[in-house]
Amino acid sequence: KQEVTQIPAALSVPEGENLVLNCSFTDSAIYNLQWFRQDPGKGLTSLLLIQSSQREQTSGRLNASLDKSSGRSTLYIAASQPGDSATYLCAVWAGAGSYQLTFGKGTKLSVIP
Amino acid sequence: KAGVTQTPRYLIKTRGQQVTLSCSPISGHRSVSWYQQTPGQGLQFLFEYFSETQRNKGNFPGRFSGRQFSNSRSEMNVSTLELGDSALYLCASSLDSGSYEKLFFGSGTQLSVL
Repeated sequence: KQEVTQIPAALSVPEGENLVLNCSFTDSAIYNLQWFRQDPGKGLTSLLLIQSSQREQTSGRLNASLDKSSGRSTLYIAASQPGDSATYLCAVWAGAGSYQLTFGKGTKLSVIP
Repeated sequence: KAGVTQTPRYLIKTRGQQVTLSCSPISGHRSVSWYQQTPGQGLQFLFEYFSETQRNKGNFPGRFSGRQFSNSRSEMNVSTLELGDSALYLCASSLDSGSYEKLFFGSGTQLSVL
């Protein structure tokens, strides 16, 4: 059974700092990995999708990397801003025929002005 | 293009009642999936529908059911509500199977069971 872990559960950084969020998964046979952002009481916003054949994806100040062999992904946020404060979740597509994402429990990020 | 729409936004029910939640996917999206989010368990998969067929179901009791209509809109139903069913219920849609595509989530329905 696929398990996804995100450490740390919470992170507080001063504005302007670069930061890295970590995600690990137990079964390397994944189809893709997605990073989401969730604001309190709201739904999920998809940030980046990395296919299993890719190593990284970039969007603006965000860069996500994927290392399937080690079961790890990182989300790099450059020049953090208070508006980046949210919970960041990673999720893996379990495999053919599963039609479901397996989520980590997220990292709650606070960017202090 | 309108996003995924979930109604109602908030619901308060009492134990033993039943509830129906609605989800309208992004236009053209044929896959709809449902997730339950609680502080303790995080996000857990409920079920996924494509072209009115349930293709997978998560590890939830039979009190949780769903369906998809020909226009891809979906509903989920929870019967005989329990206190532990209090959660944020999220619906997501994608163009097809979703295995190589982004899932787009709605804002969710916050269900409180008293």
